[in-house]
Amino acid sequence: EIVLTQSPGTLSLSPGERATLSCRASQSVSSSYLAWYQQKPGQAPRLLIYGASSRATGIPDRFSGSGSGTDFTLTISRLEPEDFAVYYCQQYGSSQRYTFGQGTKLEIK
Amino acid sequence: QLQLQESGPGLVKPSETLSLTCTVSGGSISSSSYYWGWIRQPPGKGLEWIGSIYYSGSTYYNPSLKSRVTISVDTSKNQFSLKLSSVTAADTAVYYCARSTVTGARKGAFDIWGQGTMVTVSS
Repeated sequence: EIVLTQSPGTLSLSPGERATLSCRASQSVSSSYLAWYQQKPGQAPRLLIYGASSRATGIPDRFSGSGSGTDFTLTISRLEPEDFAVYYCQQYGSSQRYTFGQGTKLEIK
Repeated sequence: QLQLQESGPGLVKPSETLSLTCTVSGGSISSSSYYWGWIRQPPGKGLEWIGSIYYSGSTYYNPSLKSRVTISVDTSKNQFSLKLSSVTAADTAVYYCARSTVTGARKGAFDIWGQGTMVTVSS
């Protein structure tokens, strides 16, 4: 089973700053099957990025994803107040199995 | 616009079976393009995939839960369901249903989610 480890656990930044979130896999993941989600309190997760780097419908272009193999990154170029939330990476592997990272909380500094 | 809605008891006793249903509206569950899945989130914790089902009835389960999970589909009602047996307090969580894509660029991503339903396991 592939384990996804996200870092940092908590990231404290100010609006306008750049956020860089990491997701590391215990073994190689197909870039096609790596996604990122945003979750705000009391809400369901929202798909941000699929295929490691493609933005989902309606996602602002300040969100970008990159990476391959075992190392993936979600970057938010300039933080808006509504971007402070928890972010999860997720992979889809063989035998139609899915795993999530443990999440990174992005909080206002 | 496709929507998913979870329903079921909010309180389940230990050792009993948790049963939830997800109703799909605004689209057909019988599409060959999607899997339909269950994901849960214990209070204050992260997301855990429980399992997924294809409209044909093919199922895929998280190995850690496989012995206790059954997911089924009712295409006539446009619904799919989750049963989790022998529950304990550790199964207390918000349970989400969600759609994932079978093929194409978004393969493996959960692009539409229900709002979630809180299930508490307690006597």
